[in-house]
Parts: sequence; C-alpha cells; structure tokens
Amino acid sequence: GAVVSQHPSRVICKSGTSVKIECRSLDFQATTMFWYRQFPKKSLMLMATSNEGSKATYEQGVEKDKFLINHASLTLSTLTVTSAHPEDSSFYICSATTGTSGYNEQFFGPGTRLTVL
Amino acid sequence: GQNIDQPTEMTATEGAIVQINCTYQTSGFNGLFWYQQHAGEAPTFLSYNVLDGLEEKGRFSSFLSRSKGYSYLLLKELQMKDSASYLCAPISGDYKLSFGAGTTVTVRA
Repeated sequence: GAVVSQHPSRVICKSGTSVKIECRSLDFQATTMFWYRQFPKKSLMLMATSNEGSKATYEQGVEKDKFLINHASLTLSTLTVTSAHPEDSSFYICSATTGTSGYNEQFFGPGTRLTVL
Repeated sequence: GQNIDQPTEMTATEGAIVQINCTYQTSGFNGLFWYQQHAGEAPTFLSYNVLDGLEEKGRFSSFLSRSKGYSYLLLKELQMKDSASYLCAPISGDYKLSFGAGTTVTVRA
C-alpha cells in the first residue's frame, strides 16, 4: 500500500526558533499533500493544501507567514514553523493523495509531535 | 466550517458489537470516510461511502444516508486491539476533508 513518512517524529525546540517538518510519499507520486494539526483529544484541523509546483492554499485563520509550506517535488512537502512559540506545540500530520483533491483516499504520515519550550 | 457530530466515548466488551453514529452538515458533499486512530498515531483508512447504503468489509461496516446527513460505523466481534478513536470525515463540495472530534472506543475483556 501507499506509504507516507514524516521526519522528525518528535522535536523539542526553544521559543523563537524555526522547525522544519518533512513529509514524503515513499512509493507513489503525490500530486497533492495536506497538512493538519491536532490538539490532544481534538479533531484534525486542516491547515493547508499543497500542490506540487504551486503555492499552498491555506485555511482561514492559518498564518501563511508563520507556517511556510513548500511542495518542491511529487514526493516531498515541507512545513516550516517559523519563530515557534509554546502555543504552536501540537501534533502535525501530513497526508498525500494521487488525485488533485481530497476526493481521493488520503494516506497519512505517522505525525510529528512538536513541543516548544 | 462544517458541522460533524459523533459521540465522544463508547465502551463495550470483547466480542460485542458497537455502532458509532455520525451526523454532518457540509457545503456540498462528495462522500464520507471513516478512519481509525490509535493514540499518538496517524489515522488509518477504514471505509469510504459515497452512495446510500451499507458497505461491508470484514468486521467493519459503514452506512450512509445522504438525505439525512447521517452515517454509522459498525464494529463487530470486537477485539482489544479495536480500542481506538474513530473519526468521521465527510468530504465537502470543494473536495476538502473535515474531521469530527472522534469517538473513543474502549474494549473491555
């Protein structure tokens, strides 16, 4: 089946630093990748949709300058949390699909647990 | 945003049957996914419904009524490993996936 990896799985950083999270589709080409964040015991919230070679589309309320997304190839998307603060601590999950919309099955990465001190 | 309502928690014994209901309101509709998520892990795909009716896949079945904005996930012959959160995720008219808060199912021996 389709496998999506994320790196790192856990990261702890100091307030004010930037953190980059990578999302890779290992055995398929992902036309579209999605970034979600999840707070404890809460649902996944879509942050942005990323299509290869074009700018990401951010959901309302998500700061594009704070959460930089780059989808440089059909197998890699990165999320950079800039100038991280404790309120950015969360579980970040990416997903990838071979289609151009969420209509196709999304394959989820294992998630990245970010803790900002 | 989208409104998705599912129970917060359910408890059942091993071997029993559990039905998790989900009601939703979306701007347009292009199907509904059910995902399973264990604590600290990413969601894994369980089922997809786009037409009315029941889709059966082994111990798991999912039902959809588009006119009622209603779906349920049926878990049969419960096993301890089925203890997890189950997420109802309808797809809106713009093909975006929205997730409910999840139903935590606890299976007891």
